[in-house]
Amino acid sequence: QVQLQESGPGLVKPSETLSLTCIVSGDSISSSNYYWDWIRQPPGKGLEWIGSIYHSGRRYYNPVLQSRVSISIDTSKNLFSLNVDSVTAADTAVYYCARGEILGQFDNWGQGSLVTVSA
Amino acid sequence: QSMLTQPPSASGTPGQRVTISCSGGSSNIGSDYVYWYQQLPGTAPKLLIYTNDQRPSGVPDRFSGSKSGTSASLVISGLLSEDEADYYCAAWDDSLGAVIFGGGTKLTAL
Repeated sequence: QVQLQESGPGLVKPSETLSLTCIVSGDSISSSNYYWDWIRQPPGKGLEWIGSIYHSGRRYYNPVLQSRVSISIDTSKNLFSLNVDSVTAADTAVYYCARGEILGQFDNWGQGSLVTVSA
Repeated sequence: QSMLTQPPSASGTPGQRVTISCSGGSSNIGSDYVYWYQQLPGTAPKLLIYTNDQRPSGVPDRFSGSKSGTSASLVISGLLSEDEADYYCAAWDDSLGAVIFGGGTKLTAL
């Protein structure tokens, strides 16, 4: 049974870079045919897809965020990461990592990590 | 960014049949699969329906999904109080090159 766990600072200053990692257990990122995804949810609001990375390394980003977002895989540590540059208060959200067979199908989710952008 | 359109709220009495709609367009629901997610209070979303009408293992069969043209529906047959949650539809949008979500529907069991 695959498990995903987000990790990272809970507080980031405006204009800085938000960095999160998703540690995967129960599956190998490099060998499985899955997409590894990031989704976020501002407090009290709906879900927003940030982007996905395929096991081959191909990346897909939300066009709204594409200029500030990057997703990468570290196969040696079996984790994938998210960076969001030049954050503002609008980036305050619970950030979820997930795994899915198809883009849009998020089969397994992490528990979520609240990141607050504030000075 | 374009979103799929869902009613903000829905309700029903225990045992009742409840339908949640999700409206899109030709570049998303009209040409790609629809997914439904259930988010219980204070928890991460959970995949409820995939590829329009399939249930993952462990999802009760009172949940069903369908798609017609550019719209999709989630039906809960025999509502239980434990079904109170937020429900989101999602699909890939070919024009945007992005996964888009509906705004979510808050379901209340009266």
